[in-house]
Amino acid sequence: DVKVTQSSRYLVKRTGEKVFLECVQDMDHENMFWYRQDPGLGLRLIYFSYDVKMKEKGDIPEGYSVSREKKERFSLILESASTNQTSMYLCASSLGASNQPQHFGDGTRLSIL
Amino acid sequence: RKEVEQDPGPFNVPEGATVAFNCTYSNSASQSFFWYRQDCRKEPKLLMSVYSSGNEDGRFTAQLNRASQYISLLIRDSKLSDSATYLCVVFFMDTGRRALTFGSGTRLQVQP
Repeated sequence: DVKVTQSSRYLVKRTGEKVFLECVQDMDHENMFWYRQDPGLGLRLIYFSYDVKMKEKGDIPEGYSVSREKKERFSLILESASTNQTSMYLCASSLGASNQPQHFGDGTRLSIL
Repeated sequence: RKEVEQDPGPFNVPEGATVAFNCTYSNSASQSFFWYRQDCRKEPKLLMSVYSSGNEDGRFTAQLNRASQYISLLIRDSKLSDSATYLCVVFFMDTGRRALTFGSGTRLQVQP
């Protein structure tokens, strides 16, 4: 079974802090994704990566950056956290072909105070 | 118009009922389709892929209608454990762009 692990289930940070969310997958998947999920808005893609050191903007990249230095790890960075970034963050990975189904981590519920 | 649209529900059905959800997509170049299931406060999990000829997995049947640009999920003999949110996912790729888009989900509540 694919295992996608997110570093924290719950996280509380303060406005203006730099926040790191980590995601690791153990199935040698090429593709990795970061989403946020908010009530009534569904899943929205923040950033994704199809290869090491490669990244592409999703639908809502503003206020975020990412890093993929190793194939198994994809980090999401909130440069200066704001209250409107309070959300559930979900990491996913998938095999190389873009149309393959994604496997999700448990999610990180991030609160910015 | 959203790229992928679903009725948010909730659909409240009794145990044993048959229930169906539709999901419409706007991009006619869409190539792959999936249904995911998401339990409350949990991550989405793949339920089934949707094939052009339609496919079945136990009590679940998925169908694709390209002409009308929608996919459907039929659940027969509903169980209490089927209560969840069902997410429709659509993949398309064309010149310079590829995207896997999630619908906002349809909530199903199966009642005893």
